[in-house]
Amino acid sequence: SQQGEEDPQALSIQEGENATMNCSYKTSINNLQWYRQNSGRGLVHLILIRSNEREKHSGRLRVTLDTSKKSSSLLITASRAADTASYFCATAQYNFNKFYFGSGTKLNVKP
Amino acid sequence: NAGVTQTPKFQVLKTGQSMTLQCAQDMNHNSMYWYRQDPGMGLRLIYYSASEGTTDKGEVPNGYNVSRLNKREFSLRLESAAPSQTSVYFCASKPGTEDSPLHFGNGTRLTVT
Repeated sequence: SQQGEEDPQALSIQEGENATMNCSYKTSINNLQWYRQNSGRGLVHLILIRSNEREKHSGRLRVTLDTSKKSSSLLITASRAADTASYFCATAQYNFNKFYFGSGTKLNVKP
Repeated sequence: NAGVTQTPKFQVLKTGQSMTLQCAQDMNHNSMYWYRQDPGMGLRLIYYSASEGTTDKGEVPNGYNVSRLNKREFSLRLESAAPSQTSVYFCASKPGTEDSPLHFGNGTRLTVT
């Protein structure tokens, strides 16, 4: 993949715990986005961080970006059973027109 | 607003058959995309169209053709289906502004036997 990898591939936690997933990429980027996919559905955008930003928050989500290490992390705080889904990072390249996705982290939040 | 609509939702083809996957968006977005999703592989970009009248290859274009029929519609054609093309296909669209996210359809599940 031109994008890289996400880890872990799967994560199982208890409701109320925090979930952290990581994304690495290979080339320079314009921005990095995180998406969520519920089983059998399309992807839904969660949060976007620009290449000149280091951290961004949205509700219970916190995203960091380290362009020197070509990596990003997504933290979901105080997780809920409804957060159970797969989470993907995507990088925007080539004048913001081309998007490459990671392989995803499957999160299971146990009630 | 329906967003991004993909048809059909499910399709079974025999090897060698052809078919076209349809995608339409009603958000007046400039850019449209086709991805395929295989287990454990994430999403891989097949083709994209940055604006009406242009198309470009992504990571895995072999075996596919696309048509940006107008600003609303972007179709994906399999001329001679192969079992390796069994996958879930997602269409997405995006406004012309730089830092804007992709909006996805709910996918077409294709099985080639």
